[in-house]
Amino acid sequence: GESVGLHLPTLSVQEGDNSIINCAYSNSASDYFIWYKQESGKGPQFIIDIRSNMDKRQGQRVTVLLNKTVKHLSLQIAATQPGDSAVYFCAETYAGGTSYGKLTFGQGTILTVHP
Amino acid sequence: DVKVTQSSRYLVKRTGEKVFLECVQDMDHENMFWYRQDPGLGLRLIYFSYDVKMKEKGDIPEGYSVSREKKERFSLILESASTNQTSMYLCASMLESYNSPLHFGNGTRLTVT
Repeated sequence: GESVGLHLPTLSVQEGDNSIINCAYSNSASDYFIWYKQESGKGPQFIIDIRSNMDKRQGQRVTVLLNKTVKHLSLQIAATQPGDSAVYFCAETYAGGTSYGKLTFGQGTILTVHP
Repeated sequence: DVKVTQSSRYLVKRTGEKVFLECVQDMDHENMFWYRQDPGLGLRLIYFSYDVKMKEKGDIPEGYSVSREKKERFSLILESASTNQTSMYLCASMLESYNSPLHFGNGTRLTVT
C-alpha cells in the first residue's frame, strides 16, 4: 500500500467502534478533496469526495468533514469492520495555476481493525 | 464501476532494458495519469494526458516517456531502466479535468535488477 509501514500514523480500533482519520492540508486555495483507501497489494480506491462549498458529506458508513478555517479534513467510519483495515489517505486539488486537476496526496494513515 | 486495468502486476527487468507498462480504462475518460508510489515518498505524478496524443509532464518525468494513441490506453515507457526506477507504478483515469476523482488500477510492481 501507499508508504507502507514507514513512519505513517497508525490507528487501531476494535470491530464495531467508530474510527476517525485526520488529514491536514496546507494550500488554502484547495477546493476539492478526496479520501482514498488502499489495501495491501491493491491500488487506491475512491471512498468519498467533498467540495469546499460544503463542510460535511455522508456516504455509506463514512462521513467526511471539512474545516477550511484550520485546513483540516477528517474521515469518519461508522461501525468499523476488519475489512476496513487499510491505508487511508486524503488528496486535494484546486482549479488554479497549472494544477489542472492534479491531486496532491497526503502520506496516509494505517487503520487496523481488531476483531 | 470504472475499471482501470494494468497489464502486469509484477515485472522484473534488467538495467538498461526498455520497459513498457500498459494501462487501459473502460469508461471513456479523457484524462489518464501515471504515478509511482514509494515508501516515505507517497504518490508522485510522472506524466498525464488529457486527450489522445496529448501529454504533459508531471512532477518526476525524467527517465520516462508516455504514449496515448487511443483514448482508452495510456502507456508508460522506461527508455533505459535503472535500479532507482524500482517502484510500484499506478495508472489512473479521471472523467473531468477538475472536481472529479481519480480511479486507479491495481498497480504494477516493477523491480529493476
